[in-house]
This record gives sequence, structure tokens and C-alpha cells, in this order.
Amino acid sequence: GQQVMQIPQYQHVQEGEDFTTYCNSSTTLSNIQWYKQRPGGHPVFLIQLVKSGEVKKQKRLTFQFGEAKKNSSLHITATQTTDVGTYFCRPDFGNEKLTFGTGTRLTIIP
Amino acid sequence: EAQVTQNPRYLITVTGKKLTVTCSQNMNHEYMSWYRQDPGLGLRQIYYSMNVEVTDKGDVPEGYKVSRKEKRNFPLILESPSPNQTSLYFCASRGQGGTEAFFGQGTRLTVV
Repeated sequence: GQQVMQIPQYQHVQEGEDFTTYCNSSTTLSNIQWYKQRPGGHPVFLIQLVKSGEVKKQKRLTFQFGEAKKNSSLHITATQTTDVGTYFCRPDFGNEKLTFGTGTRLTIIP
Repeated sequence: EAQVTQNPRYLITVTGKKLTVTCSQNMNHEYMSWYRQDPGLGLRQIYYSMNVEVTDKGDVPEGYKVSRKEKRNFPLILESPSPNQTSLYFCASRGQGGTEAFFGQGTRLTVV
């Protein structure tokens, strides 16, 4: 079946350290989106990746889509307290179900 | 301002008392969906709707009902709530073509 695994579930980092979350699918994806949910808030769209091997950057955030379009990662360089939250991937399997990964909860130790 | 509005934001109710959580979007989106969020389980889809009068089950539909009589509204109905439905609920909408999803502010439901 169409499944996605997002790892790790939790990540605690010292402020200034890097952070990476991974989303791995068992099947090829049409595209993948990433969302951020701040504590007490709702998920907010960050970016969409469509092409095989695509890399996009937003300031300290780097998003990658694997060559086989089955894997994706979100990397944050030099984390800041404003990066706290839960990061979700949203794999598009080409159907309408709009499913999300289980999320990676990032906490920052000042 | 483009937005998805959920009401209420917080609700405490008793087991078996029917309740409705409303969701409205002002972006003329075809697609709407309900999720519940529980610790360690991420966002699990309850029901979704691809357009007016078209609804389908998500991954955890048991104990829930929905309706889509108008394009802008997608209420979530709990006919007989139980404590295991205590959760944080989100409504989301999206336009056609795989575009980004917009979420409501969330409804924190407690069933005692």
C-alpha cells in the first residue's frame, strides 16, 4: 500500500546545531510538500517539490526530493528558537486523500 | 483574507451528546478534509470531500459523519461522542491541482 514514514519522531538540539527530518515513501510520489506547525498552532505550508532530485532553499532551510521521487528531507542549518515546532511532510501519491507523515517534533535547547 | 474558520476552538462535552464542529473556507476550494491530531500519531485523515455532495472516508472515519451541501462548508458531526474521540481536530481546504492545503485554527475537543 501507499505508506510514508517520517523520521525521527522527536529531535532535541542545542541552539545553533543543525536538524534534519526525513520522509520515506514505499512508492513513487507525484510531488511532496512540507508544513510547519508551531506549538499551539496549525500546520502551515512551507514548500512543494515536484522534480526528481530537486533542491530548494528558504534561508536556513534546505528541502530535497530524491532522484527516485520516493524520499525527501528538510534540513535546517544553525537552528534558532523560532524553528521550534513539528514538521510534516505531505506526500502526493496521485490520489485525493491528502495524507501527511507522522511529523517530527523539534525542540531547541537554548 | 483567505482563511479556513473552525468553530468552536475549544469544546468539553459528555459521552453520547451529539455535537457538530463547523468548518468554512472563503477560497472557493473544491477539496476539504478533516483530521485529528494525537500525540505521536501525526495528522490522521477522518473524511474528505472533493466537491459538493462528494465525500469519502479517510483513515479513521469510525464515529464521525460529514456533509458537503455547500462548497464553503464542511461540518464534522459526532453523533455519539466517546472519550476516545478526545483530540485536536483540524479542517483543511485545497484548490484543484495539488496546491497547498490551508488549515483552520483547530478545535480541541474533550469528551468526558
